[in-house]
Amino acid sequence: EAGVAQSPRYKIIEKRQSVAFWCNPISGHATLYWYQQILGQGPKLLIQFQNNGVVDDSQLPKDRFSAERLKGVDSTLKIQPAKLEDSAVYLCASSITRNEQFFGPGTRLTVL
Amino acid sequence: GENVEQHPSTLSVQEGDSAVIKCTYSDSASNYFPWYKQELGKRPQLIIDIRSNVGEKKDQRIAVTLNKTAKHFSLHITETQPEDSAVYFCAAHGSSNTGKLIFGQGTTLQVKP
Repeated sequence: EAGVAQSPRYKIIEKRQSVAFWCNPISGHATLYWYQQILGQGPKLLIQFQNNGVVDDSQLPKDRFSAERLKGVDSTLKIQPAKLEDSAVYLCASSITRNEQFFGPGTRLTVL
Repeated sequence: GENVEQHPSTLSVQEGDSAVIKCTYSDSASNYFPWYKQELGKRPQLIIDIRSNVGEKKDQRIAVTLNKTAKHFSLHITETQPEDSAVYFCAAHGSSNTGKLIFGQGTTLQVKP
């Protein structure tokens, strides 16, 4: 079984620039999550999708972050404009049920 | 609000000793508690989980205990090996019952050969 795929793996941008991350969940997993993991901390949920609908985006900074999952499969997370404090690893995870979540390798974002 | 506290933040043990990591959670409605292991630069990987209808679960050298009354759960690793060295995260379901996980701050475990 293929795992959760993410790209790019690394991204370096300057503040105020835009960036987008892509996630392809495990086939058949209806639920998709985007987490932000700042160095030395646990992952923090940004947004959760069930198929192509948003279940929880309470911690998504909506003035600069956006995410979509148009066809209920792949998802993109965008930051526009980026701030220094957005430097983190962005993890995508997927699950069949509301329990076990499988994580992708993450995208490490550095904002200079 | 939703919160998971994890202790200790760092733990160093000799190979062969046991390691214990403890977590407390705030939402009494939480009913699922996974533990993830994250090696440097890699993705978090689920190593064991427990549901609220069970007090203890074992998988070879790893065990998790849950005390719902006290709202805390612990990870126990016996006969530690150098390859157990990693960051371990506990998590609990958030109050929204959507499957959202609230993670602890992580414990860096170092197993010295």
